[in-house]
Amino acid sequence: GAVVSQHPSRVICKSGTSVKIECRSLDFQATTMFWYRQFPKKSLMLMATSNEGSKATYEQGVEKDKFLINHASLTLSTLTVTSAHPEDSSFYICSAGDRPNYGYTFGSGTRLTVV
Amino acid sequence: LAKTTQPISMDSYEGQEVNITCSHNNIATNDYITWYQQFPSQGPRFIIQGYKTKVTNEVASLFIPADRKSSTLSLPRVSLSDTAVYYCLVDPRMDSSYKLIFGSGTRLLVRP
Repeated sequence: GAVVSQHPSRVICKSGTSVKIECRSLDFQATTMFWYRQFPKKSLMLMATSNEGSKATYEQGVEKDKFLINHASLTLSTLTVTSAHPEDSSFYICSAGDRPNYGYTFGSGTRLTVV
Repeated sequence: LAKTTQPISMDSYEGQEVNITCSHNNIATNDYITWYQQFPSQGPRFIIQGYKTKVTNEVASLFIPADRKSSTLSLPRVSLSDTAVYYCLVDPRMDSSYKLIFGSGTRLLVRP
């Protein structure tokens, strides 16, 4: 079945630094990937839709200059949290799919802690 | 995009059948209904997807009435490991701005 690999699984960074999270589709090509963030005991909130070869589409209220998304190939999308602050600490999850008949596949998530 | 409404939480006991109903009153003609399961600190996992009537796989069944304004996920004989959050999503395949929006989900607790 479809596999989406997300790395790192957890990261701790200092306030003011940037962190990059990778999302890879391992056995299929994904023209579209989604990035979500999730706070404890809350649902997933869509941040942006990443389209291969074009600019990402951000949801209302999500700062595109803070959450940089790059989808340079059909198997890789990256989310960079720039100048991270403690309030950016969250669980970030990516999703990829070009096979709607099987649903979208989600990565295992990245736990970001900014200290 | 169709909004979904589910119960916030449900309790059950091992061995029982659990039915979680989701309402999606403004579902569009070409939308599919998809259910995901999520454990703490993990990404959601696909459970089942359907368009109408009944779909069954090795882990669950999905019942969708003719008007498609609701759907019911049925988990037969749950075990402790089925304790998780279950999300019902409307999959807008024909939407040019395709995106998957999560509702609040249903937190299922299975007790011994």
